[in-house]
Amino acid sequence: DAGITQSPRHKVTETGTPVTLRCHQTENHRYMYWYRQDPGHGLRLIHYSYGVKDTDKGEVSDGYSVSRSKTEDFLLTLESATSSQTSVYFCAISESGEYSNQPQHFGDGTRLSIL
Amino acid sequence: LAKTTQPISMDSYEGQEVNITCSHNNIATNDYITWYQQFPSQGPRFIIQGYKTKVTNEVASLFIPADRKSSTLSLPRVSLSDTAVYYCLVGGPFSGGYNKLIFGAGTRLAVHP
Repeated sequence: DAGITQSPRHKVTETGTPVTLRCHQTENHRYMYWYRQDPGHGLRLIHYSYGVKDTDKGEVSDGYSVSRSKTEDFLLTLESATSSQTSVYFCAISESGEYSNQPQHFGDGTRLSIL
Repeated sequence: LAKTTQPISMDSYEGQEVNITCSHNNIATNDYITWYQQFPSQGPRFIIQGYKTKVTNEVASLFIPADRKSSTLSLPRVSLSDTAVYYCLVGGPFSGGYNKLIFGAGTRLAVHP
């Protein structure tokens, strides 16, 4: 299995508080992604990164920011958490993105509850 | 906007072959087709990928017709442990931007004894 670690695995917090989720990889893959998964919606892309300090928005980026200061770490931040951001968050990595034949490998997810 | 269409759910029995079809009418010339499997409380796991014709690995086969507007994941002789959600994904992030990273709701396969 790809070396992907998400932390924390579970978190409960209150509306209005900042939250940061971390994704750490040991594969030295260039591309990293953050998804959220909600019942009835499947996986939806929040942000992705194609290199250190290179990021772009996905389908549902509002209310989220990301940072990537090192190849191995991709951080997802909710500046002021809302109840609608209660979800399961998955990080994924892929070796490259220029060609679509590089599959993504996913972490085990972070279950975030915002009360 | 790249979009895939799959059945919402399927039921099967142990030992049967299961075929899940994904429609992708807007597939681009450079797009590959990738299938993922997801168990509850886990992240999706890569199963198989193809560009055209047929691809087979130790767990599944992928059939892609000449026009590439659909693909069929074939699981031979399923067992209870194949109960999962299966996602079809067409393309990658830089074959069309984030639009190619829309997984959709997937197909929920239930295998019965």
